[in-house]
Amino acid sequence: AQSVTQLGSHVSVSEGALVLLRCNYSSSVPPYLFWYVQYPNQGLQLLLKYTTGATLVKGINGFEAEFKKSETSFHLTKPSAHMSDAAEYFCAVSEGQTGANNLFFGTGTRLTVIP
Amino acid sequence: NAGVTQTPKFQVLKTGQSMTLQCAQDMNHEYMSWYRQDPGMGLRLIHYSVGAGITDQGEVPNGYNVSRSTTEDFPLRLLSAAPSQTSVYFCASSYMGSYGYTFGSGTRLTVV
Repeated sequence: AQSVTQLGSHVSVSEGALVLLRCNYSSSVPPYLFWYVQYPNQGLQLLLKYTTGATLVKGINGFEAEFKKSETSFHLTKPSAHMSDAAEYFCAVSEGQTGANNLFFGTGTRLTVIP
Repeated sequence: NAGVTQTPKFQVLKTGQSMTLQCAQDMNHEYMSWYRQDPGMGLRLIHYSVGAGITDQGEVPNGYNVSRSTTEDFPLRLLSAAPSQTSVYFCASSYMGSYGYTFGSGTRLTVV
């Protein structure tokens, strides 16, 4: 069975500082991994995904994440935070390589950007 | 380019009432899912479908029913609403797993 742990339910950074949101997963098969962003009172928007191939993946809005199999991690980073990055971020895992497409989500990390 | 459309956006029910949350997608996606979002718990899968006529249970299916008569529509039915079903409900669809899911804007349901 899959599961996702997001360390830190709230993260605050200064504008222009590095953003690091942590995600560790558990999966019995090679996982597909996703990061979603949710702005207030909106649905979830896909930021980036890892399925196969290159372990460093780039997404929208300057975010990127690196799949580290040995650490079972998929941390999300952005070199320089912008005020518009303030939102809730969710990491998710699926066993897509087996044909099972259901997503299992972490509990989310709320990012605050301090001007 | 509507994507995933959910209706209604807001709903207040009394305990014991029934209702249907509507979800429609226009992307010809085979996979559709319903999630509920509760504070501090992330999103939890209620029911899902891998194609018209095929549905299955997720993590938290009790108190909910679904059907999938067409590729486009995937309604979620609350049979007898309970306060524990107060939540934000999201419908999502996907072409295939490697593409990720597209989410609707959600239905905020309050059961009093």
